[in-house]
Amino acid sequence: EAGVTQSPRYAVLQEGQAVSFWCDPISGHDTLYWYQQPRDQGPQLLVYFRDEAVIDNSQLPSDRFSAVRPKGTNSTLKIQSAKQGDTATYLCASSPGWGAYEQYFGPGTRLTVL
Amino acid sequence: AQSVTQPDARVTVSEGASLQLRCKYSYFGTPYLFWYVQYPRQGLQLLLKYYPGDPVVQGVNGFEAEFSKSNSSFHLRKASVHWSDWAVYFCAVSSSGGSNYKLTFGKGTLLTVTP
Repeated sequence: EAGVTQSPRYAVLQEGQAVSFWCDPISGHDTLYWYQQPRDQGPQLLVYFRDEAVIDNSQLPSDRFSAVRPKGTNSTLKIQSAKQGDTATYLCASSPGWGAYEQYFGPGTRLTVL
Repeated sequence: AQSVTQPDARVTVSEGASLQLRCKYSYFGTPYLFWYVQYPRQGLQLLLKYYPGDPVVQGVNGFEAEFSKSNSSFHLRKASVHWSDWAVYFCAVSSSGGSNYKLTFGKGTLLTVTP
């Protein structure tokens, strides 16, 4: 069974540039999560979906970050105008949902904003 | 609100020695608890999970953890550490019941292994 895949693996931007991250969850997993992991810290939830619906986006900086999962499968996280404080690894995870609480993580995208 | 505290930012163990990584959680109710490991430049891998039941749970690669409701703890143990265990370990808690499936992570403990 294929795991969670993410692309790109690395991104380097200047402040003010836009970037998109893509995630393909494990087949059949209806719940998808995006996390931000600053260096030397634990992952912090940004947003999560069940199928195509946003369940919780309370930690997503809505003025610059957006996330979609239009068909309930793949997902895209976009940063509109990156800031140096956005430098972090962005992790995608998926879960079977409904009674299963463990999450399975992709390799992450390491973002550096100069 | 749920939270996790990993009081040790770094633990150093000799190869072959035993290991305990500490985790304290805060959650009103019955928690679901997890340990994940993160190797350099990789995502998180699930080591083991606790669902309400037997307080001692077994995981991959000889790891086990023990849930204690009285101490609000979920410490990770291994009898004999290998150099390949050098990584960052994260403890996480999830709410139980309802439709809230969010994980809250601790800040992680870096395990270093000396020869």
